[in-house]
Amino acid sequence: GAVVSQHPSWVICKSGTSVKIECRSLDFQATTMFWYRQFPKQSLMLMATSNEGSKATYEQGVEKDKFLINHASLTLSTLTVTSAHPEDSSFYICSAVRTASNSPLHFGNGTRLTVT
Amino acid sequence: KNEVEQSPQNLTAQEGEFITINCSYSVGISALHWLQQHPGGGIVSLFMLSSGKKKHGRLIATINIQEKHSSLHITASHPRDSAVYICAVKSVDSNYQLIWGAGTKLIIKP
Repeated sequence: GAVVSQHPSWVICKSGTSVKIECRSLDFQATTMFWYRQFPKQSLMLMATSNEGSKATYEQGVEKDKFLINHASLTLSTLTVTSAHPEDSSFYICSAVRTASNSPLHFGNGTRLTVT
Repeated sequence: KNEVEQSPQNLTAQEGEFITINCSYSVGISALHWLQQHPGGGIVSLFMLSSGKKKHGRLIATINIQEKHSSLHITASHPRDSAVYICAVKSVDSNYQLIWGAGTKLIIKP
């Protein structure tokens, strides 16, 4: 089946630094990738929708200058958490779809970010 | 009221029991997803439904479009089935975005 690779699986960084998370579709071309955030014991929250070759669409309340998303190719999207703060500590997960139609979702394994 | 409601929120059962998790939604949908999130956080897509019933191994998913309701069943449950099961729907008004249920935390005791 289709595989989405997310890297790193966990990262600890100091407050004020930036962290980049990669999401790769390994065996299919992903026209659209999604970035989610999940706080403990809560549901996934969509942060942004990333379309290859165009600017990401951010959900209300998500700071686009803080969470930089780049979808430079059909197999790679990156999320950069800039000037990280402890409150950015969370579980970040990406998913990818092949086309704009009713395609199954394929999820990365997520990245647990801890900002100290 | 949330657009996607799951029940129960938490479910603990003994190994071997038949498990049912329910999902009700209030919007028009083009598809409904059942997902499994393991304790480590990874998410696996179990089913995508737009009508009828699907079966994969011990898992069965059904959907009733008229009643706006879907169920996920697990037969002969096993401790490794312990996870959070999430229902998510794709609204007819959206190309991609999903509306998520809060999830059902399932614990299967040996």
